[in-house]
Amino acid sequence: AQSVTQLDSHVSVSEGTPVLLRCNYSSSYSPSLFWYVQHPNKGLQLLLKYTSAATLVKGINGFEAEFKKSETSFHLTKPSAHMSDAAEYFCVVNSGTYKYIFGTGTRLKVLA
Amino acid sequence: DTGVSQNPRHKITKRGQNVTFRCDPISEHNRLYWYRQTLGQGPEFLTYFQNEAQLEKSRLLSDRFSAERPKGSFSTLEIQRTEQGDSAMYLCASSLGTREGTIYFGEGSWLTVV
Repeated sequence: AQSVTQLDSHVSVSEGTPVLLRCNYSSSYSPSLFWYVQHPNKGLQLLLKYTSAATLVKGINGFEAEFKKSETSFHLTKPSAHMSDAAEYFCVVNSGTYKYIFGTGTRLKVLA
Repeated sequence: DTGVSQNPRHKITKRGQNVTFRCDPISEHNRLYWYRQTLGQGPEFLTYFQNEAQLEKSRLLSDRFSAERPKGSFSTLEIQRTEQGDSAMYLCASSLGTREGTIYFGEGSWLTVV
């Protein structure tokens, strides 16, 4: 069985400060893991994905995530937040089937 | 634009009416998915197609919902006798049939039932 837990429903940071959005997963098999971003009234855009290659994955817009098998975590980070980063972020796990399991989302607020 | 395309983007309908949404996936993608998303929630899986075959339907998909993908190309999601609880964003996504396949989403179709 697969599951994903996003540990924070809301995160607020000041512009220019680091961002950390936390995600823990559970999977019976070697998973693929994804982070998506959703701006208001928009669809989901892929930020980055992990597929058993390098454990540190770089994505678009300066985001990156590190796969830590021992901690079953896939946290999303960015060194310096920008106002345009304010959005909903979803962590997603897939174990090689058609089933993509979504976390409940983390709403990122960026303060000026 | 070669992304996933959905229309209409917004639909307001009266309770009891039927509505249909269309999804055009990325052309080389053989897998197509429908998800539903309500305010403040993550996307919930509704159904999945491999080419033209509908291989899985969620229990969320009541008898009033039907989805098709004729010829394995575009897909339609029809909701009959709409209810206020059907108000949500309906997201379509597509992917290649590979183990590491990334799913790509459309912009979604907002349904408001009044």
